Amino acid sequence: AQSVTQPDIHITVSEGASLELRCNYSYGATPYLFWYVQSPGQGLQLLLKYFSGDTLVQGIKGFEAEFKRSQSSFNLRKPSVHWSDAAEYFCAVENRDDKIIFGKGTRLHILP
Amino acid sequence: EAGVAQSPRYKIIEKRQSVAFWCNPISGHATLYWYQQILGQGPKLLIQFQNNGVVDDSQLPKDRFSAERLKGVDSTLKIQPAKLEDSAVYLCASSFQGGKNSPLHFGNGTRLTVT
Repeated sequence: AQSVTQPDIHITVSEGASLELRCNYSYGATPYLFWYVQSPGQGLQLLLKYFSGDTLVQGIKGFEAEFKRSQSSFNLRKPSVHWSDAAEYFCAVENRDDKIIFGKGTRLHILP
Repeated sequence: EAGVAQSPRYKIIEKRQSVAFWCNPISGHATLYWYQQILGQGPKLLIQFQNNGVVDDSQLPKDRFSAERLKGVDSTLKIQPAKLEDSAVYLCASSFQGGKNSPLHFGNGTRLTVT
């Protein structure tokens, strides 16, 4: 069965530092992968998605993610975080039935 | 464009009571989803509508949960009777037509507390 694992429940970084959030997936075929962000009290917003082609995907708000088939990973990165990036981040995979399966999320804390 | 609207934002009820949530999707979006997000977990799909028909309700606890999308626009999700474990945020999302090239747009959710 398809699944998504986000190994880190919480991540704390200093403002201006680089960020990498980890995501591993389990899927038999070429996966369709997503990263969403959820600010407190709000719904989820799509940051970026990978369907095929270039394995480095650019998203909104300065985020990017790299698909690595050999590692079954789709890690999210940002070179320099801002205080407004504090939120919860969800990695997701779309299965054969077009259903999106979400990971449990990583909560990002930013130190001033 | 206006986003996905949900109401109420918060609801507190006692167990065994009933509750209903309302969702108004983005205009023109054919596909509507209800997700349940328990604290500390990712959203879990409860039901998916395509226009006014149900596409997938395999994870909907049908003994207590029901949902409808009359006229293929607004939708309501009902829980009757509620249990303590139903405490969660209920998210509504819509997309233009479903599928991989049609991103989901989420509402801000309804936070339900069952005491």
